[in-house]
Amino acid sequence: QVQLQESGPGLVKPSQTLSLTCAVSGGSISSGTYYWTWIRQPAGKGLEWIGRIYTSGTTNYNPSLRSRVTVSADTSKNQFSLKLTSVTAADTAVYYCARQRYYEISGHPIYYFDYWGQGTLVTVSS
Amino acid sequence: QSVLTQPPSVSAAPGQKVTISCSGSSSNIGNSYVSWYHQLPGTAPKLLIYDNDKRPSGIPDRFSGSKSGTSATLGITGLQTGDEANYCCGTWDSSLGAWVFGGGTQLTVL
Repeated sequence: QVQLQESGPGLVKPSQTLSLTCAVSGGSISSGTYYWTWIRQPAGKGLEWIGRIYTSGTTNYNPSLRSRVTVSADTSKNQFSLKLTSVTAADTAVYYCARQRYYEISGHPIYYFDYWGQGTLVTVSS
Repeated sequence: QSVLTQPPSVSAAPGQKVTISCSGSSSNIGNSYVSWYHQLPGTAPKLLIYDNDKRPSGIPDRFSGSKSGTSATLGITGLQTGDEANYCCGTWDSSLGAWVFGGGTQLTVL
């Protein structure tokens, strides 16, 4: 059974960098056809995809956040991380890490999130 | 404003059937596969439907998914009070080069 666990500061000051880590157990982040993903959810609002890293190291980011986001992986620790720079109050949210399975049917890519972390609340405030 | 449009809320009585729509465009639902997630308050989302209409193991056949053109639909039959949750659709948008979610639909079982 794959398990994901987010960790990091629950409070970040405005203009600083938000840093979170997702520890993965029950499976290797460097094998298989998976994207390791960050998603956030402001209180009372919907889910927002932040970005992801493939097992090969390829990354994709939400265009609205691309200039501020970096997703990276540490295969030796079997974990991946999120860095979001220049945060404001609008970045206050519950942040989830998730595994996104990927495969193709007749050349069409298929993605879906099959495992999620429990989420961690990050508040941006001075 | 979400790229995928869902009704904010739906409601129905126990035992009844409900459908939740997810409307998109040719760059997302129109040429990609849709998945659905449900989320109880204070918990992480959980996979409900993938590949438009497939259920993961453990998800009862009361839950179904379908897709037609640029819209997808989640159906739930035999509603139970335990089905009260927020339901969200998602897919890849090839124009944005990004994963997109619907805004979520709150299901109330009256």
